[in-house]
Amino acid sequence: EVQLVESGGGLVQPGRSLTLSCTASGFTFGDYALSWVRQAPGKGLEWVGFIRSKINGGTPENAASVKGRFIISRDDSNSIAYLHMNSLKTEDTAMYYCARYHFYSMDVWGKGTTVTVSS
Amino acid sequence: QSALTQPASVSGSPGQSITISCTGTSSDVGDYNYVSWYQQHPGKAPTLIIYDVSNRPSGVSNRFSGSKSGNTASLTISGLQAEDEADYYCISYTSSSTLEVVFGGGTKLTVL
Repeated sequence: EVQLVESGGGLVQPGRSLTLSCTASGFTFGDYALSWVRQAPGKGLEWVGFIRSKINGGTPENAASVKGRFIISRDDSNSIAYLHMNSLKTEDTAMYYCARYHFYSMDVWGKGTTVTVSS
Repeated sequence: QSALTQPASVSGSPGQSITISCTGTSSDVGDYNYVSWYQQHPGKAPTLIIYDVSNRPSGVSNRFSGSKSGNTASLTISGLQAEDEADYYCISYTSSSTLEVVFGGGTKLTVL
């Protein structure tokens, strides 16, 4: 079964850091780009960014709202994608989803992990 | 403000058909056939229901269909069922950004 499972969410103080993981199974992880999408409470989906497959350069792209603070990386040997979040703000409070990103659509989604930024 | 414009809400009665629009520009919806649609039930993760404007992934009901005209893509749900009540989002490829895609703000579908 093709599956993505996020982990690492929790309560964190403003200005601190947190790293989310997205563990994949059921497909050849290295062949795909992986994306992160977040959803603030009661709001719509927001594109955080994605990381290309190694064959396409393995480079990440981040939304302007998180550029310079969030870094997306991947470990193909363990089928894990990461979202390293630094200098967290209260407005980063959201459910964070990872999704397999394939030809400009997200065809497999994890269940999400909750991040709450609060003092 | 989202790059793609969707109505905030639509509604319909069981058995009816409804259409949700998703309006972009010639840099995204208008010039590329990479529009996808997602369904999200409360408290759940989104799921892909349409990709490349009009293609359904395996397992998605044929009551869901997608189309495009000019800068506007549309999702049509026929034979509305209570279980279709959910939020729907469109996403499109964009040539305007290295981020590659832009999102719609979402539409809440209420089945009366």
